[in-house]
Amino acid sequence: DAEITQSPRHKITETGRQVTLACHQTWNHNNMFWYRQDLGHGLRLIHYSYGVQDTNKGEVSDGYSVSRSNTEDLPLTLESAASSQTSVYFCASGHANTGELFFGEGSRLTVL
Amino acid sequence: ELKVEQNPLFLSMQEGKNYTIYCNYSTTSDRLYWYRQDPGKSLESLFVLLSNGAVKQEGRLMASLDTKARLSTLHITAAVHDLSATYFCAVDNTAYGNKLVFGAGTILRVKS
Repeated sequence: DAEITQSPRHKITETGRQVTLACHQTWNHNNMFWYRQDLGHGLRLIHYSYGVQDTNKGEVSDGYSVSRSNTEDLPLTLESAASSQTSVYFCASGHANTGELFFGEGSRLTVL
Repeated sequence: ELKVEQNPLFLSMQEGKNYTIYCNYSTTSDRLYWYRQDPGKSLESLFVLLSNGAVKQEGRLMASLDTKARLSTLHITAAVHDLSATYFCAVDNTAYGNKLVFGAGTILRVKS
């Protein structure tokens, strides 16, 4: 069955460190997204990609970057982690015809 | 800028009762989605509504879309404890972009 997997599922890091969260999908979707989920804010879009070599900023992109070198993967990098980036991060990929998104299990990141 | 508002944000109801969750959005769109999230889990797609007047039903849940009023409803019939979860609506106002904007979510607690 097609799926979308994230790793690590849990990570604790220190302020200033670089962190990369991995996202891999086997749906063969062109569209991939990263959201963060925080209490009181729902899900907010960080970055997204509509295909290989395409990346776009979302609503809350400061301090984050993504790269898309193949269809399956969209890693999210925090260049210099800050405590404000403590959150649960969800990767998703999208069915272009219906617009429906399929989500990974989430990565809980704590920045101390 | 697209805004999505859900109400209520918290709903406590007795088993067997009916209730409706409302999702209003601020700009024209005919693509609306409902998701369910259990505590600590990922988001599960419930309904995809792609046209004015669309109605979808699954078990005790029924979703509808009125694009003229910019309103979707999620109706719960004869609630059971297993329906306890957080429900999100999300709207896409881009052409096949999958770029969903989420409401804040409605926390539903069904008491037996």
